[in-house]
Amino acid sequence: EDKVVQSPLSLVVHEGDTVTLNCSYEVTNFRSLLWYKQEKKAPTFLFMLTSSGIEKKSGRLSSILDKKELFSILNITATQTGDSAVYLCAVEAYGNKLVFGAGTILRVKS
Amino acid sequence: DVKVTQSSRYLVKRTGEKVFLECVQDMDHENMFWYRQDPGLGLRLIYFSYDVKMKEKGDIPEGYSVSREKKERFSLILESASTNQTSMYLCASSPDDFQRNIQYFGAGTRLSVL
Repeated sequence: EDKVVQSPLSLVVHEGDTVTLNCSYEVTNFRSLLWYKQEKKAPTFLFMLTSSGIEKKSGRLSSILDKKELFSILNITATQTGDSAVYLCAVEAYGNKLVFGAGTILRVKS
Repeated sequence: DVKVTQSSRYLVKRTGEKVFLECVQDMDHENMFWYRQDPGLGLRLIYFSYDVKMKEKGDIPEGYSVSREKKERFSLILESASTNQTSMYLCASSPDDFQRNIQYFGAGTRLSVL
């Protein structure tokens, strides 16, 4: 059975801290891994990763994939209160279907 | 910008009622999806559709059906709502090209079944 596990389940940090969110997976026919950010509305797309070792970066957010060890990390540097959200990891395993992890709840305190 | 619109943000229904959740996308996407999201379980796929009048079961289709009569609209139907269907329901769409795995989500419908 395809499985995506995110850790930690929740996290509280102070503004300015750096956080690392983890996503490990066990899927057949891996094609890509995606990160989404979900505030009190629609999940919004952050990154798609298909190749090991290539960092994707957008502002203070970055992500990297390790296909040998079957995991990805999402880093957020200099966190801001606006980064507070649920971060979702999903893996495309078969066709167009995505398998999602349970999410990491991040709260950034001012 | 891709826009996926779900007809209701909040819905309260009674056990046994037939419930329709509507989703419309404006980007001419071929693929559409329905998920439910529960704490600690993440998003679970209920049904998806690759084309008009086509549907495929996801991981948890029991108690649900779907309808896709037009390309832009994908409806989720709870034939006889039960309390264990109380959840957040998210609709998504994606194009049928090299970015087909990037799904765009609606804001969700929080359904309470009493």
